[in-house]
Amino acid sequence: QVQLVESGGGVVQPGKSLRLSCAASGFTFSSHGMHWVRQAPGKGLEWVAIIRYDGSVKNYVDSVKGRFTISRDNSKDTLYLQMDSLRVEDTAVYYCAREGPQTEFDPWGQGTLVAVSS
Amino acid sequence: QSALTQPRSVSGSPGQSVTISCTGTSSDIGGYNYVSWYQQHPGKAPKLMIYAVSKRPSGVPDRFSGSKSGSTASLTISGLQAEDEADYYCYSYAGTYTYVFGTGTKVAVL
Repeated sequence: QVQLVESGGGVVQPGKSLRLSCAASGFTFSSHGMHWVRQAPGKGLEWVAIIRYDGSVKNYVDSVKGRFTISRDNSKDTLYLQMDSLRVEDTAVYYCAREGPQTEFDPWGQGTLVAVSS
Repeated sequence: QSALTQPRSVSGSPGQSVTISCTGTSSDIGGYNYVSWYQQHPGKAPKLMIYAVSKRPSGVPDRFSGSKSGSTASLTISGLQAEDEADYYCYSYAGTYTYVFGTGTKVAVL
């Protein structure tokens, strides 16, 4: 079945880096745009980044521009999020999600927690 | 891009109907028919309930329905059931590879 599995979360100090991965299975990964969405503790969903199916287009929410980099390896069916210069306010559960033909997010991974704390 | 505006909470008794509004602008909801709704139970990942304003994915009960008028989208849950108690988020495409979620609504089943 269609599945997304995130990994790479953890506790990190402010200013440090972390790389998240999202392993896809059950569908043709190279045919779909992919997203990262985050949710701070007790807060709502926030869209973070998008990468087009072929990697030719990337975009980010303003608060992470210049610090986060989304990428993908279609030969490995894997999505990545490189997070540099992390801030306390980046603390959240990070979800990866597949983009459908009407820009809907489906499915979602189970999420991976990133905690930025000194 | 500002978050779409949703009521903080709505409630209803089993069997009743509730409607959640989602207010945006002409740059997002008003400009595209790319509105979707997500259900999230505590500690779980969001689940797609409605896409393209009013379409239901396979497996989603038909008591969930969506609509849009101008820059406001709505999700209606008819025949409310205990398992519908959850947080609900709207979403809209906002142009040029930009995406925005709503503030979220907690649905309580009394």
